[in-house]
Amino acid sequence: AQTVTQSQPEMSVQEAETVTLSCTYDTSESDYYLFWYKQPPSRQMILVIRQEAYKQQNATENRFSVNFQKAAKSFSLKISDSQLGDAAMYFCALRGGLTDSWGKLQFGAGTQVVVTP
Amino acid sequence: DAMVIQNPRYQVTQFGKPVTLSCSQTLNHNVMYWYQQKSSQAPKLLFHYYDKDFNNEADTPDNFQSRRPNTSFCFLDIRSPGLGDAAMYLCATSRERGLTDTQYFGPGTRLTVL
Repeated sequence: AQTVTQSQPEMSVQEAETVTLSCTYDTSESDYYLFWYKQPPSRQMILVIRQEAYKQQNATENRFSVNFQKAAKSFSLKISDSQLGDAAMYFCALRGGLTDSWGKLQFGAGTQVVVTP
Repeated sequence: DAMVIQNPRYQVTQFGKPVTLSCSQTLNHNVMYWYQQKSSQAPKLLFHYYDKDFNNEADTPDNFQSRRPNTSFCFLDIRSPGLGDAAMYLCATSRERGLTDTQYFGPGTRLTVL
């Protein structure tokens, strides 16, 4: 079974500052992908960033970057230069490989990011 | 813009009264998913269609059914809604089911059961 754990129910950050969201996971798969999704209030969930497990280089998308520590099964998201529009629920998700190759996403419980002016 | 559309955005039904939620997509994706998301919880996959092939999750109650009459549309039927079925229902699509295929989500339908 695959599990994804987000231990921070809520994180607060001031505009222009940096916030890091934690995510740990467990899987027996050797081939898998990790994702961060953003769900703004009353709006649809969108993909923020993804990481392929066999790639050591951390993924980066503009102000969003990840710290992928495969041995520790950790996948944190850093939001730099936070903006008011970053306020949302952020979900960490895992998609497994051989036994789950059809692409099922396993989500964590989510972290609410609050951005203050 | 190509997108995933869900109607209605808000649905109110009575206990035990059947309800149908709708999802359509203009992405021409092969796969369509239905998730249930209860307040402050992670989305939970109910089932998905790969083309016309229906794939149910083992723990999805029989009360939940789905139909996909064509590539563009997929429906979620709740035969006898209970209070515990009040939730946000998310539809998502992906081109294929591979690990690299991104899932695109609709805005969701919030279901209230009175």
